[in-house]
Amino acid sequence: SQQGEEDPQALSIQEGENATMNCSYKTSINNLQWYRQNSGRGLVHLILIRSNEREKHSGRLRVTLDTSKKSSSLLITASRAADTASYFCAIISNFGNEKLTFGTGTRLTIIP
Amino acid sequence: DTEVTQTPKHLVMGMTNKKSLKCEQHMGHRAMYWYKQKAKKPPELMFVYSYEKLSINESVPSRFSPECPNSSLLNLHLHALQPEDSALYLCASSHYRQVAGNTIYFGEGSWLTVV
Repeated sequence: SQQGEEDPQALSIQEGENATMNCSYKTSINNLQWYRQNSGRGLVHLILIRSNEREKHSGRLRVTLDTSKKSSSLLITASRAADTASYFCAIISNFGNEKLTFGTGTRLTIIP
Repeated sequence: DTEVTQTPKHLVMGMTNKKSLKCEQHMGHRAMYWYKQKAKKPPELMFVYSYEKLSINESVPSRFSPECPNSSLLNLHLHALQPEDSALYLCASSHYRQVAGNTIYFGEGSWLTVV
């Protein structure tokens, strides 16, 4: 399966702390994307990192990509209660199928 | 705020009913998608339309029938569904089918319950 595996499955931290989520995958990728989903709602695109990039920033978000280890991490700094959501990585493989395949997700809870 | 609008937000239907889910976008995107998401699971791709033509069908049962009347609209016709089809159905769109490098915009989803 090309599906990414995310770690941890669930994470609870105090407001203001940093949150780190990891994504591992099995196939060669074109790019990797991170999405946020508030409970029972649609997904919001957060950031895209291409296979030739190692790190990308967007506001309080920092994404790293290590293609040799087939892994990516999402760091949210100075967390806020509004960051409570599920976070999914999603990959586009290099095998001609342009399907966006989502990882298993991390449920993040920020404790006020 | 999402620019992909899905209706209805909630739908309860019997196993013998025929209903439809609707999706609309006005971003000029030429690729549109249907995803299915069960509780606490990641979204799974069902269908991809590119320039109003069906380009990917992920072996979805025929009781789900997609339709793309024009570049802004995407429907999912439902007939003879099973209780296990109860899920959140997400519509999405992107500039074109080549997902690589494109941001995919998702709607808020339609919650479907089959009784």
